[in-house]
Amino acid sequence: SQTIHQWPATLVQPVGSPLSLECTVEGTSNPNLYWYRQAAGRGLQLLFYSVGIGQISSEVPQNLSASRPQDRQFILSSKKLLLSDSGFYLCAWSFTGELFFGEGSRLTVL
Amino acid sequence: GNSVTQMEGPVTLSEEAFLTINCTYTATGYPSLFWYVQYPGEGLQLLLKATKADDKGSNKGFEATYRKETTSFHLEKGSVQVSDSAVYFCALSKKTSYDKVIFGPGTSLSVIP
Repeated sequence: SQTIHQWPATLVQPVGSPLSLECTVEGTSNPNLYWYRQAAGRGLQLLFYSVGIGQISSEVPQNLSASRPQDRQFILSSKKLLLSDSGFYLCAWSFTGELFFGEGSRLTVL
Repeated sequence: GNSVTQMEGPVTLSEEAFLTINCTYTATGYPSLFWYVQYPGEGLQLLLKATKADDKGSNKGFEATYRKETTSFHLEKGSVQVSDSAVYFCALSKKTSYDKVIFGPGTSLSVIP
């Protein structure tokens, strides 16, 4: 069966520090991969999606970036965090239109 | 463009009450429709789905019917439990080069004993 994991689960970072969130999928090959952000009390915002290794599409301009170095690995990064980057980050993969989400990573920028 | 509208709540119900969360959508063609649920501190998980008009999705006592004539996909449950307290997201999916999923804003449900 397919599983998706992301880490770390929680982190507190100072403004201006770098960020790296990692997501891996097991049990499937060549999945479409996604990073979403959920700000406190808000809905879901699609940040990036990827249809294959090295193929990244950005939905919104911001100081975040994403990379897909391996088929089932998706990384969200930032060189310098802003206060507004705080939120709950969700990785997901899709199959026939249905999304499967990881457990989420809660980021607090102070 | 494509969009999803749902009542934002918060909704507070007593245990065993009837639940309806309204969801309407705007989309070209024939999207697939979904309800996702997010329990506190967790990621989202699929609750139910429908892929064509008049389909009824059901799971854990929840139901929703794909109504193309009213472009709606309302979520219902006959008797809610405290464990149903969560945020519920209505969503539609269009197949492009990827699965473009558009979410509604979410409806927070609290069920009190």
